[in-house]
Amino acid sequence: QKEVEQNSGPLSVPEGAIASLNCTYSDRGSQSFFWYRQYSGKSPELIMSIYSNGDKEDGRFTAQLNKASQYVSLLIRDSQPSDSATYLCAALQGAQKLVFGQGTRLTINP
Amino acid sequence: GAGVSQSPSNKVTEKGKDVELRCDPISGHTALYWYRQSLGQGLEFLIYFQGNSAPDKSGLPSDRFSAERTGGSVSTLTIQRTQQEDSAVYLCASSFIPDTEAFFGQGTRLTVV
Repeated sequence: QKEVEQNSGPLSVPEGAIASLNCTYSDRGSQSFFWYRQYSGKSPELIMSIYSNGDKEDGRFTAQLNKASQYVSLLIRDSQPSDSATYLCAALQGAQKLVFGQGTRLTINP
Repeated sequence: GAGVSQSPSNKVTEKGKDVELRCDPISGHTALYWYRQSLGQGLEFLIYFQGNSAPDKSGLPSDRFSAERTGGSVSTLTIQRTQQEDSAVYLCASSFIPDTEAFFGQGTRLTVV
């Protein structure tokens, strides 16, 4: 079982719709979780961090964490073509090892 | 500096040569991470530093890979006797403390020919 798992996609969403990206993790002791966006040929860029169960909203982005289910998600509202990228989920293991999923490719269709 | 700085941006080397990659983290950041990303793949964890110490070296692919960090700041990743399979983008990230948000440098694209 991979430490952090994501559906590799590609996920295709029409412009203006909600994009939903999901992630599961294996280390029940993980307490800190992060979503990064990576455009082709660029390095990952931090979008959101989440540490507590529930929802955390920042503009068009909402991160959701359910530690009991070991599940993290990212919702992107009013999707724009510029949101087309690979989205990486990361979990901090043992308070020191930041482990990434394989990423989900998201395409927003105009 | 304002962000994480990596050098060189690109490196082409001949098989069998040694290479050294440098990472200059955000000032004041104590945690530093190295990752490798092959074309179309995810981020492979290599090593993590807290200050100058590397509590977890489990991700280093072989004994040809080594890393150090001095003065709690700059880190170097050294690959000895490079092989073609070492070709990838090497990414460095730093965070204020391990449990906080990490920020990436622009990466070093290594090509072994």
